[in-house]
Amino acid sequence: DIHMTQSPSTLSASVGDRVTITCRASQSINSWLAWYQQKPGKAPKLLIYMASSLESGVPSRFSGSGSGTEFTLTISSLQPDDFATYYCQHYNTYPYSFGQGTKLEIK
Amino acid sequence: QVQLVESGGGVVQPGRSLRLSCAASGFTFSNYAMYWVRQAPGKGLEWVAIISYDGSHKSYADSVKGRFTISRDNSKTTLYLQMNSLRPEDTAMYYCARSRHVVGASPFDYWGQGTLVTVSS
Repeated sequence: DIHMTQSPSTLSASVGDRVTITCRASQSINSWLAWYQQKPGKAPKLLIYMASSLESGVPSRFSGSGSGTEFTLTISSLQPDDFATYYCQHYNTYPYSFGQGTKLEIK
Repeated sequence: QVQLVESGGGVVQPGRSLRLSCAASGFTFSNYAMYWVRQAPGKGLEWVAIISYDGSHKSYADSVKGRFTISRDNSKTTLYLQMNSLRPEDTAMYYCARSRHVVGASPFDYWGQGTLVTVSS
């Protein structure tokens, strides 16, 4: 099975900051990588798929990059609505595992 | 608009069974693979199972293999998860989710609101 590791687990930042979250896969997943945002009490929301493709309706301040085993999610200028938990997920082979999550907090 | 509505959760004793349902609307259900994903209280997301668009292919996480069965009824546009031999560690919010793509590997683009399963004596 492929194991996904995110860093950091918690990130404190301010409105307007540029932030980056990293996701590493235990083996190559090519570009079969998605990013989700989850707010308390809500279902996850798809932000990025195929490592760098922005889901329809998602603000352009979100971007993804990487391939193989190393991936990043970048938010170019944090907005108040962006404080949430972010998960990466591979969909290379079953089981489609998730990273442990990165909680983005207000500094 | 796409809607996924889970039901069937509740409190159940260890060793007992429960069946979850996910009613789908707003899209051609029979064209899409569907998934179950769970989240224990205060924890991260765990992929549980997948069923292909026609029900011919299924796959499960090791943690539920042999105990849980995913199925679908395309005529009723409903996804199911039969959970047997439940354990306390199965306590979680259970989400159904839709495959983004009709064919090939795909993330999940629509999610239900979740149904809570609590396994406790």
